[in-house]
Amino acid sequence: QKEVEQDPGPLSVPEGAIVSLNCTYSNSAFQYFMWYRQYSRKGPELLMYTYSSGNKEDGRFTAQVDKSSKYISLFIRDSQPSDSATYLCAGLDYKLSFGAGTTVTVRA
Amino acid sequence: EAQVTQNPRYLITVTGKKLTVTCSQNMNHEYMSWYRQDPGLGLRQIYYSMNVEVTDKGDVPEGYKVSRKEKRNFPLILESPSPNQTSLYFCASSRENNEQFFGPGTRLTVL
Repeated sequence: QKEVEQDPGPLSVPEGAIVSLNCTYSNSAFQYFMWYRQYSRKGPELLMYTYSSGNKEDGRFTAQVDKSSKYISLFIRDSQPSDSATYLCAGLDYKLSFGAGTTVTVRA
Repeated sequence: EAQVTQNPRYLITVTGKKLTVTCSQNMNHEYMSWYRQDPGLGLRQIYYSMNVEVTDKGDVPEGYKVSRKEKRNFPLILESPSPNQTSLYFCASSRENNEQFFGPGTRLTVL
């Protein structure tokens, strides 16, 4: 069983919609949680980085962690075509463990 | 510009022909790692290095070798590539084992 499970998608939403991405994890030793964004033919880039349970907001992006239920989420408000990418969640103990990724397409 | 570079970006080879994928970072990071990315499986760590001359296995090390003779370089070596090593490979580096900066990727096809 993978340590991080991610909703497989793909997701297709109209421009301006809220995108909701979800992951669950099994490793209680994870101390940090991250969301990476990967555009086609590019390497992943760090989008959000959270340590504790709760919400963290950065512009149109909100990362949410619920350690009691081992659930992590990413919300994208007012989605734009430029948000079309694959989003990867990850947990960190002594190494990063990634979910399989969810491909999001925002239609203009 | 702070970056992780990989070469080559694309490689087609044949079974058994040794190859090396180079990785270099200019951020003076101690921690470097190699991942492979496969559809439905996501990113899986192959090897990592916490500093010069210190390397350790990740989740899928079979068939790969690495070395870390200098801080900035972390080459990935496939001594005898096989078709199941056809994949997209990423090198990453970080100051500590936290936010990792990824290279642009190397797409390898083994025939």
